[in-house]
Amino acid sequence: AQSVTQLDSQVPVFEEAPVELRCNYSSSVSVYLFWYVQYPNQGLQLLLKYLSGSTLVKGINGFEAEFNKSQTSFHLRKPSVHISDTAEYFCAVSEGGAQKLVFGQGTRLTINP
Amino acid sequence: DTGVSQDPRHKITKRGQNVTFRCDPISEHNRLYWYRQTLGQGPEFLTYFQNEAQLEKSRLLSDRFSAERPKGSFSTLEIQHTEQGDSAMYLCASSSTTAYGYTFGSGTRLTVV
Repeated sequence: AQSVTQLDSQVPVFEEAPVELRCNYSSSVSVYLFWYVQYPNQGLQLLLKYLSGSTLVKGINGFEAEFNKSQTSFHLRKPSVHISDTAEYFCAVSEGGAQKLVFGQGTRLTINP
Repeated sequence: DTGVSQDPRHKITKRGQNVTFRCDPISEHNRLYWYRQTLGQGPEFLTYFQNEAQLEKSRLLSDRFSAERPKGSFSTLEIQHTEQGDSAMYLCASSSTTAYGYTFGSGTRLTVV
């Protein structure tokens, strides 16, 4: 069965520093991969998605992620973070084009001035 | 397009009472999903509709839970005889047939006392 592991529950960084949020998945078939962001007391907003094609995917708010099939990873990166990036970030996978998403447990990104 | 709307935003109920939540998806989206999110966890899939047909239901969804989408537009999620373990954020999302990646609503936070 598919599963998603977000390796860091919390990531503190200083403003304008680069950040990487790690995500690994397990699946025996082809997958679609997603990153969502959740601000306090709000629903989830789609940051970016990988369906096929180029393994480097660019999303909103300056985020990007790279799909690595051999390492079954889909890490999220941003070269320079801002205070407004403080939020919870969730990696998710759908297996074989299924509609259901399986989410990781989330990574809380905290930006310090 | 006003996005996905959920009502109410917050619900406090006594154990044993029944509650019903409503979700209005984006109008042109024919797929609708319900997820549950507990504190510090990622969302967990509950059920999924395509138009008015309920196509998949999680084993997490006990017999006390029922969801409907009678005319293929809005959906309701009912929980009968609520228990303290039902306390969570209930998230609704919608998508179109041709696009992967959901649009989430802001959620309904249920507290069972």
